[in-house]
Amino acid sequence: GAVVSQHPSWVICKSGTSVKIECRSLDFQATTMFWYRQFPKQSLMLMATSNEGSKATYEQGVEKDKFLINHASLTLSTLTVTSAHPEDSSFYICSARGLAGESDTQYFGPGTRLTVL
Amino acid sequence: GESVGLHLPTLSVQEGDNSIINCAYSNSASDYFIWYKQESGKGPQFIIDIRSNMDKRQGQRVTVLLNKTVKHLSLQIAATQPGDSAVYFCAENIGNSWGKLQFGAGTQVVVTP
Repeated sequence: GAVVSQHPSWVICKSGTSVKIECRSLDFQATTMFWYRQFPKQSLMLMATSNEGSKATYEQGVEKDKFLINHASLTLSTLTVTSAHPEDSSFYICSARGLAGESDTQYFGPGTRLTVL
Repeated sequence: GESVGLHLPTLSVQEGDNSIINCAYSNSASDYFIWYKQESGKGPQFIIDIRSNMDKRQGQRVTVLLNKTVKHLSLQIAATQPGDSAVYFCAENIGNSWGKLQFGAGTQVVVTP
């Protein structure tokens, strides 16, 4: 099946620094990737939709200048958390949408645990 | 606003029994539904999906039922195993071409021996 990877799997950083998270589709091309964040014991909240070669579309309430998204190729999207603060600590998950058989299924990465001190 | 919700936040099931996880949705424009399984510290794993032109779909040990009349979705797991312990999310495509998904709150399934 389709595989999506994320790097790093976890990161600890100091308040005020920036952190980049990579999302890669390993065996398929993804024109669309999505970024979610998930707090403990809660559901996934969509942050933005990333389309290859164009600007990302952010959900209401998500600061585009704080969460920079770049989808430079059909297999790579990056999320940069700029000037991170403790409240940005969360589990960040990406997904990639590919056409697999009859379904437009989204395949999820393993997630990145961000802890901001 | 319209959202996907779950009736049971926690479901305790004895090993070998069948599990039924329910999900209510309110967006009548939704045309595609997916069930995901998420184990602790991992990303969601695709289980099964169903389109709105179907009312039932079966996979390996899993069945998804869709009742559009009452806007209800369920996931049935046959012969539940310890490895089935996880949080299960239903998600709906709210009818857009990008494939944006809206996730439900999730149900924690605990399989007891």
